[in-house]
Amino acid sequence: LAKTTQPISMDSYEGQEVNITCSHNNIATNDYITWYQQFPSQGPRFIIQGYKTKVTNEVASLFIPADRKSSTLSLPRVSLSDTAVYYCLVYYGQNFVFGPGTRLSVLP
Amino acid sequence: NAGVTQTPKFRILKIGQSMTLQCTQDMNHNYMYWYRQDPGMGLKLIYYSVGAGITDKGEVPNGYNVSRSTTEDFPLRLELAAPSQTSVYFCASSYPSGGVGTGELFFGEGSRLTVL
Repeated sequence: LAKTTQPISMDSYEGQEVNITCSHNNIATNDYITWYQQFPSQGPRFIIQGYKTKVTNEVASLFIPADRKSSTLSLPRVSLSDTAVYYCLVYYGQNFVFGPGTRLSVLP
Repeated sequence: NAGVTQTPKFRILKIGQSMTLQCTQDMNHNYMYWYRQDPGMGLKLIYYSVGAGITDKGEVPNGYNVSRSTTEDFPLRLELAAPSQTSVYFCASSYPSGGVGTGELFFGEGSRLTVL
């Protein structure tokens, strides 16, 4: 059974780097890992997607080790507006499975 | 482009009633999805479609039906509403340019359904 796990919550201060890890033990060889951000009363919003090693865009980095059993979303220098729930999403077979989400609180 | 549009945004149903949640996208995406999100929880896939005329069950399909007669529209039908179906429903679409499982999911703003 496909299963994805994440920490329930994290706290950080403005200006710090935040790393959120997602475990996806039975990911298949060709499955991609995607991260989404969700604010209250809104739909999730795409942050970054990767398959292996490291991917970086203008807002985040995604690190995927060689065994691909986990992935880490890295948010550089967070601000108060980054307070949200962050979900990893793995495509298992023909089913997109969201992780349970990590509630990030950024404090001043 | 409007993106993914869902209607209605809010609805209250009585137990046993039926209704259809509408979803339309104007991005010409071939993949469309319906998710539900219970309060304080993550998203669970109800149904998805890889193209017009093709639909398949996700993780939690019981109590729902879908159809995909056009590329743009993917309505979700609730038959015999139950309190357990109280949730926020999100429709999404994608174009897996790199193959199945790739690409960004574009979400609508959600439809909040309460069954009393």
